[in-house]
Amino acid sequence: AQSVTQPDIHITVSEGASLELRCNYSYGATPYLFWYVQSPGQGLQLLLKYFSGDTLVQGIKGFEAEFKRSQSSFNLRKPSVHWSDAAEYFCAAINSGGSNYKLTFGKGTLLTVNP
Amino acid sequence: DTEVTQTPKHLVMGMTNKKSLKCEQHMGHRAMYWYKQKAKKPPELMFVYSYEKLSINESVPSRFSPECPNSSLLNLHLHALQPEDSALYLCASRPGLAGRNEQFFGPGTRLTVL
Repeated sequence: AQSVTQPDIHITVSEGASLELRCNYSYGATPYLFWYVQSPGQGLQLLLKYFSGDTLVQGIKGFEAEFKRSQSSFNLRKPSVHWSDAAEYFCAAINSGGSNYKLTFGKGTLLTVNP
Repeated sequence: DTEVTQTPKHLVMGMTNKKSLKCEQHMGHRAMYWYKQKAKKPPELMFVYSYEKLSINESVPSRFSPECPNSSLLNLHLHALQPEDSALYLCASRPGLAGRNEQFFGPGTRLTVL
């Protein structure tokens, strides 16, 4: 079955520290991959996406993600975290091979930022 | 412009009420989605409309009735809901063009069923 796994339920970092959120996928073929961020009580905002090509993807708010086919991973990174980055982060995937554009989400990683 | 709007922002209803949620996008997107999200969980897909036709119904109870009057508007009609239906309801749209498969989400409607 197709799945997306975010191994870390909750991560705490200090403001100014670097951040890496992990995401692994299990699909028959490389899916389209996304990272979304959700502040409390808000909708989901698209941070970045990977469809093909360059494996290092730049997104909004200073985030980037690296696609590694050999590890079935799509980890999100930021070199210096701001207090406003505290939120829930979801990794998601869509099967690239068909017409079913159903997003499969990971369970999410809650990011807490300490001052 | 990547804005999806949803109204109302908050809704409180009794189990015998009939209410509707509204979603709009003016980006020319060809697919629109309804999701339900419970606290501390990822969104769960409910319905997908593609070119104004219902293409996916994820076995959602009939007390939820979607409607897509035109390519920019998506409604979710609610009737005889249960307290466990209280959740954040999210609408999303997707361009549907080649190479544009990302979904853009609205801010959601926080629904409370008493």
